[in-house]
Amino acid sequence: DAGITQSPRYKITETGRQVTLMCHQTWSHSYMFWYRQDLGHGLRLIYYSAAADITDKGEVPDGYVVSRSKTENFPLTLESATRSQTSVYFCASRGPTDTQYFGPGTRLTVL
Amino acid sequence: AQSVSQHNHHVILSEAASLELGCNYSYGGTVNLFWYVQYPGQHLQLLLKYFSGDPLVKGIKGFEAEFIKSKFSFNLRKPSVQWSDTAEYFCAVNGASQGQNFVFGPGTRLSVLP
Repeated sequence: DAGITQSPRYKITETGRQVTLMCHQTWSHSYMFWYRQDLGHGLRLIYYSAAADITDKGEVPDGYVVSRSKTENFPLTLESATRSQTSVYFCASRGPTDTQYFGPGTRLTVL
Repeated sequence: AQSVSQHNHHVILSEAASLELGCNYSYGGTVNLFWYVQYPGQHLQLLLKYFSGDPLVKGIKGFEAEFIKSKFSFNLRKPSVQWSDTAEYFCAVNGASQGQNFVFGPGTRLSVLP
């Protein structure tokens, strides 16, 4: 089915390890986004991408790296995971009517 | 910096009660406004959106929202809630100067008692 998929859905890792969260969309939307969702903060934008090879920082980019070599993929990497990065991560893409469509989320726990 | 506030952290209602969730934003220019819903364990889904025109917009599942420009508000309403409306509700704003960035409110958790 068309849409946004994220993998893994659940991940437990240890402090200092590198972790990559995958996001794939089948609509060929130009814009893609990564958010983290934390209690009391709602969703905060980490990074976004306007097109392949074009990325920009959001509100909370520190400790994260993104890439976008293909339109349909937008992986998020935690270079050296910290406990404060324990969160639920949502990927989204923006459709032609300025509406954002969200993936199912990845629940990440950093021990 | 733009911000979005939602009046209530947690709302508890009985079935058939009326619902109004408040949302205020701080931005002086043209905005697009959204309400998203997140059912337990699921991703965010669009409930409704306002871009221009009639300030009263209707969304899915009987929800509606009213944009009041003078009050910088975009409150969500439903005349009669159901148990299945139990979820978290997020207001979001996309201003012209933000480009593609959305700013989300902190969310309001709605619990509907059967």
